[in-house]
Amino acid sequence: QQQVKQSPQSLIVQKGGISIINCAYENTAFDYFPWYQQFPGKGPALLIAIRPDVSEKKEGRFTISFNKSAKQFSLHIMDSQPGDSATYFCAASHRSGGYNKLIFGAGTRLAVHP
Amino acid sequence: SQTIHQWPATLVQPVGSPLSLECTVEGTSNPNLYWYRQAAGRGLQLLFYSIGIDQISSEVPQNLSASRPQDRQFILSSKKLLLSDSGFYLCAWTPQGGTGEQYFGPGTRLTVT
Repeated sequence: QQQVKQSPQSLIVQKGGISIINCAYENTAFDYFPWYQQFPGKGPALLIAIRPDVSEKKEGRFTISFNKSAKQFSLHIMDSQPGDSATYFCAASHRSGGYNKLIFGAGTRLAVHP
Repeated sequence: SQTIHQWPATLVQPVGSPLSLECTVEGTSNPNLYWYRQAAGRGLQLLFYSIGIDQISSEVPQNLSASRPQDRQFILSSKKLLLSDSGFYLCAWTPQGGTGEQYFGPGTRLTVT
């Protein structure tokens, strides 16, 4: 119930294409769904996040689509660029014991080819 | 603005040696603090979290311990390192009473030989 399942494990996209990464969860107590971007040797950086009261959030080329009934959410990267090549992690969070516990997906390694 | 620091950036230690990794956060008060470990090419495993000074909880039993001697300082330690302790260690913080956003430090690459 605490798991967040992420797919695909790896993704290759041509420059200018759309990258789509999917995540699914079981625990309906989750109330915050962030995406993190991680470059090799660096810490994950918060990219974009959504709450379950909205179905979509867009920031620049990055969009989160959220389907509450299906308990799924996805990250869309429009006009993918080689600089977007990184590992992306979805996560889900709920407040428990005085802190926000983040459950991470296993990650998707994205390669954008020029 | 808030900044999170970790040091050292890289560390190579022999099996059986002690370990001390440090994390500090600037620009905020009373943050929640977290230690994660990331094995090569893998996801993030939560090791410890702290909601205040000397208030630390462990997520998984292991060869590591954590301490929080000051409000914005979080330390990860081991008395005797194992080969399996190798990995990328990440510190993170969230605002006290925050709504979920968690911010990560630059990480420490630990190699146990």
